[in-house]
Amino acid sequence: GNSVTQMEGPVTLSEEAFLTINCTYTATGYPSLFWYVQYPGEGLQLLLKATKADDKGSNKGFEATYRKETTSFHLEKGSVQVSDSAVYFCARDSGAGSYQLTFGKGTKLSVIP
Amino acid sequence: GAGVSQSPRYKVAKRGQDVALRCDPISGHVSLFWYQQALGQGPEFLTYFQNEAQLDKSGLPSDRFFAERPEGSVSTLKIQRTQQEDSAVYLCASSVLAGGREQYFGPGTRLTVT
Repeated sequence: GNSVTQMEGPVTLSEEAFLTINCTYTATGYPSLFWYVQYPGEGLQLLLKATKADDKGSNKGFEATYRKETTSFHLEKGSVQVSDSAVYFCARDSGAGSYQLTFGKGTKLSVIP
Repeated sequence: GAGVSQSPRYKVAKRGQDVALRCDPISGHVSLFWYQQALGQGPEFLTYFQNEAQLDKSGLPSDRFFAERPEGSVSTLKIQRTQQEDSAVYLCASSVLAGGREQYFGPGTRLTVT
């Protein structure tokens, strides 16, 4: 079946540090890939997406590239801020039918001043 | 515009009670999804509606779980005879297209079964 594996947290970084959160997915079908973010006390928000191989999704300084050859969709940001502290979820859709999402377990990021 | 809303935000139920959780999707969104998120885990798919039709209920964990969307807008997730393992956050998401590839999530309902 479909699955997503992402790097376990928690991750603690100093402000302005470089961020990478690894994510790999099972290579079944033709999924779109997503990163969602959950800020403390809030719901899931779509951060970025990519719909086909080699696409790069980007938003708010975050980027991720859909790599079919390595079945990866790693999240990166060049300089994190305290306001980026949140839980980040990598997800893939089913590629057909209902396009239900399969999520990773989430990575908690804490950025300290 | 208004996002996806869910009510109640918090629900405490005694084991064996029935509960009903409501989702108001974004107006005009065709697709509606329910997910269950256990503590410290990612959300897991429960069921999918396209308008009023429930096209996929493969994620419902047991026959105690039932969902409906009778008029193609508001949806209700009902859990009968709640058990402690039902404690989780229940998330609703909607998408403008059939088989929505960009889903917008509500804030969730945190259900605690005591």
